[in-house]
Amino acid sequence: GAGVSQTPSNKVTEKGKYVELRCDPISGHTALYWYRQSLGQGPEFLIYFQGTGAADDSGLPNDRFFAVRPEGSVSTLKIQRTERGDSAVYLCASSSKGPSSYNEQFFGPGTRLTVL
Amino acid sequence: GQQVMQIPQYQHVQEGEDFTTYCNSSTTLSNIQWYKQRPGGHPVFLIQLVKSGEVKKQKRLTFQFGEAKKNSSLHITATQTTDVGTYFCAAIGGGSNYKLTFGKGTLLTVNP
Repeated sequence: GAGVSQTPSNKVTEKGKYVELRCDPISGHTALYWYRQSLGQGPEFLIYFQGTGAADDSGLPNDRFFAVRPEGSVSTLKIQRTERGDSAVYLCASSSKGPSSYNEQFFGPGTRLTVL
Repeated sequence: GQQVMQIPQYQHVQEGEDFTTYCNSSTTLSNIQWYKQRPGGHPVFLIQLVKSGEVKKQKRLTFQFGEAKKNSSLHITATQTTDVGTYFCAAIGGGSNYKLTFGKGTLLTVNP
């Protein structure tokens, strides 16, 4: 079956521009996570969705970052007024169970964002 | 916030040698997961440990969870070139039952 997919795979933008990163989770997975991974670091939690709602957005670095999941499936991470420090690989992951059960997370291939 | 320390940062071995990476937390963890990330790839789930003192094996890989649930280790016996990659521990704890806090990972390289 299809895994988690993310588009685009690479995004180069200029400082100050707006970008959208898309994540298609595994079909039927209710939990969806966004992470950011910088070079030489582990993934850093950004936001967690359970269904359509953002259950925990405590990892979003500031109000330039926003994410939605309007129909409980595809999610979009939106970054306004991009800064060079936003350059990183943005990973999406999904899992089949909600917060009442610990469960493995399936990661997508990531979007490499470069802000010039 | 919760922090997970992972050592060593890098490990280079000759093929056939053993390898171990360690993960430590100052707080008690609910569970711990291990992921492998190949160069240029994304993290792939290896295993989850939940019980105090738990030991699980997957072929040449042995995973342990400490008695106090504050540390964990991954041991690979007789490394192969296919073991190359970064191994991350990821902990759940601190009142959350879903938020993974990743260590910085251990990059393993294997000389054939």
